[in-house]
Amino acid sequence: RKEVEQDPGPFNVPEGATVAFNCTYSNSASQSFFWYRQDCRKEPKLLMSVYSSGNEDGRFTAQLNRASQYISLLIRDSKLSDSATYLCVVSFGNEKLTFGTGTRLTIIP
Amino acid sequence: NAGVTQTPKFRILKIGQSMTLQCAQDMNHNYMYWYRQDPGMGLKLIYYSVGAGITDKGEVPNGYNVSRSTTEDFPLRLELAAPSQTSVYFCASSYSSASGGPGGSTDTQYFGPGTRLTVL
Repeated sequence: RKEVEQDPGPFNVPEGATVAFNCTYSNSASQSFFWYRQDCRKEPKLLMSVYSSGNEDGRFTAQLNRASQYISLLIRDSKLSDSATYLCVVSFGNEKLTFGTGTRLTIIP
Repeated sequence: NAGVTQTPKFRILKIGQSMTLQCAQDMNHNYMYWYRQDPGMGLKLIYYSVGAGITDKGEVPNGYNVSRSTTEDFPLRLELAAPSQTSVYFCASSYSSASGGPGGSTDTQYFGPGTRLTVL
C-alpha cells in the first residue's frame, strides 16, 4: 500500500462547479498535512496546510480525518486558473515529507 | 529575494558522465532538500540538510552525493549518470526551529524551478 494515495484523475470540471479530492495516508503517526499545487512543468507550491479542525482559505477548504486517515480538498466556484495538479503531502514530524502522486484537475470553460 | 534558484534548467548527459546540479537560496533557511520527480510519480526525497555541514540521506540517495558548505548552497552531484536518473530534480528549502528534522507543523517548503535531466 502506498504511504500517500491519491486518485490521479484527471478531473475535468466545468467552470463554476465544486470539486473535491481525497487523499489517504497509511501511517497513523503522521503529524502534519498539506496540499501543494503544481502547474504543468513548474515547481510545487504550498496551497494550504491542513489542520484537524479543518480550515478554509477563500474558495478552498481542507479537512483532516485522523480516525479514517484521509485528507480532503474542496474547491468551490472553480476558475480556469485552478487547473493544475494537486499534491497531497504528509509529514511524520521528522525529515520525511511524503508526497502523493497528485490529482490532475482541468477546469473547462 | 530570488527565493530558491537552480541551474541548469535543462541538461542532457551521456551514460557515465558526471555533473553537479546547483541550488541556492537567499531566505536564510536552515533546511534544504533535493527531490526527484518522475512522470506520474510523487516527489521522492534524495538528500536533505538541516544546516551547513550536515547532510542526510532521504528515500532514494543511491547514485547521488551532496554537500552543504554554506547556508545558501546545496549542490547535488551525480558521479556516474545512468538512464534511471532521467528525471526532474527539484531543490527546496524551509525554515524549521523544531529539533529532530524538518516536516514540523510550521514548515513550508519553497521549491526551485527544477532541472530537467536526461541521461542517454
